[in-house]
Amino acid sequence: DAGVTQSPTHLIKTRGQQVTLRCSPISGHKSVSWYQQVLGQGPQFIFQYYEKEERGRGNFPDRFSARQFPNYSSELNVNALLLGDSALYLCASSLEAGNQPQHFGDGTRLSIL
Amino acid sequence: QQQVKQSPQSLIVQKGGIPIINCAYENTAFDYFPWYQQFPGKGPALLIAIRPDVSEKKEGRFTISFNKSAKQFSLHIMDSQPGDSATYFCAASGYDMRFGAGTRLTVKP
Repeated sequence: DAGVTQSPTHLIKTRGQQVTLRCSPISGHKSVSWYQQVLGQGPQFIFQYYEKEERGRGNFPDRFSARQFPNYSSELNVNALLLGDSALYLCASSLEAGNQPQHFGDGTRLSIL
Repeated sequence: QQQVKQSPQSLIVQKGGIPIINCAYENTAFDYFPWYQQFPGKGPALLIAIRPDVSEKKEGRFTISFNKSAKQFSLHIMDSQPGDSATYFCAASGYDMRFGAGTRLTVKP
């Protein structure tokens, strides 16, 4: 069975640009969460979506937004990119929202120049 | 944002040793505590998880010990192997999941 898939795997952008990252959850999983992982640190929670509704939001600025589609895939959008947005962006899926086992993809490595 | 403190930051053991990684949390609303293993260039992989109504859980060579009153939990890896060399993260989940800063484990042959 396919795991969580994310695209693209790597991305290079310049300051001020906008980026869209994509995630396909494990088949049958209805919830998707997004995390930012800076090198040498643990993942930081950005959003959780369930049944196309936002269920949780971490301490990130409004430049970060996300949505979930009817097929449960998801996009993370970041506007007005800053150098500090350089990180590995991880998507995790779970059967439902809340305290469920979450399974991660291998992430999108975003570099801001 | 971090509400989960993890120690040590790095750990070196010999093959066959039993590395122990400790975590402490603050928010009593957390009620799901997973451990993840991450290799370079890969996403975190779920290893084992526990809920606070259980004090210990074992899966293969991995054991979680949980102390609800102390708000602490730990991961033990029995008979560690060089292939276990990776970064390990504890996490605590309420409406969202909070991760520790990670422990870089090296198992020497």
